[in-house]
Amino acid sequence: DGGITQSPKYLFRKEGQNVTLSCEQNLNHDAMYWYRQDPGQGLRLIYYSQIVNDFQKGDIAEGYSVSREKKESFPLTVTSAQKNPTAFYLCASLAVGFSNQPQHFGDGTRLSIL
Amino acid sequence: QKEVEQNSGPLSVPEGAIASLNCTYSDRVSQSFFWYRQYSGKSPELIMSIYSNGDKEDGRFTAQLNKASQYVSLLIRDSQPSDSATYLCAVKRGDSNSGYALNFGKGTSLLVTP
Repeated sequence: DGGITQSPKYLFRKEGQNVTLSCEQNLNHDAMYWYRQDPGQGLRLIYYSQIVNDFQKGDIAEGYSVSREKKESFPLTVTSAQKNPTAFYLCASLAVGFSNQPQHFGDGTRLSIL
Repeated sequence: QKEVEQNSGPLSVPEGAIASLNCTYSDRVSQSFFWYRQYSGKSPELIMSIYSNGDKEDGRFTAQLNKASQYVSLLIRDSQPSDSATYLCAVKRGDSNSGYALNFGKGTSLLVTP
């Protein structure tokens, strides 16, 4: 089945620690996105990538980093510089040739501070 | 940043009634509009896309778009308790450098009472 797989489902971060959230897709989509959702809030864009080896900052990129070494994979690292990392993190993808189409989301990773 | 505004609710309707959810947006260049349903603790699930002015119907759902008024709405007919969720309005960013990312409203919480 084609889809977007995020792992882990739940993640805990200690003070001063970097953690990496995984996002893999087998849809052959060019573009991938990371969003953050806080309770009672909409989704906010962290980073996006339209092509391998290229990515752009979104609206709230501070304290996060990404890489796009393979088309299928777009991992997000939450660094120790992100002082309020507790949130629900969602990865999405899109076929660029169908840019007016909707994004579809993975099941998300819930990150909490220990 | 371009805004997407929704009434946070909760909107409470009796089973079998019509639920009406509204959304306004500020990006005049936007061309693609989406409604996602999000159950508590889950990722958003696409339920409707709309691109042209007017109405678009899919089963019990009707999306309405008025680009001149920058307004998009979702009607749910014959509401069921299983429709109880948060409904997110999403607007595709209109500028060419945005990577086709989405701007989200904060969501409207819908409660359908038996």
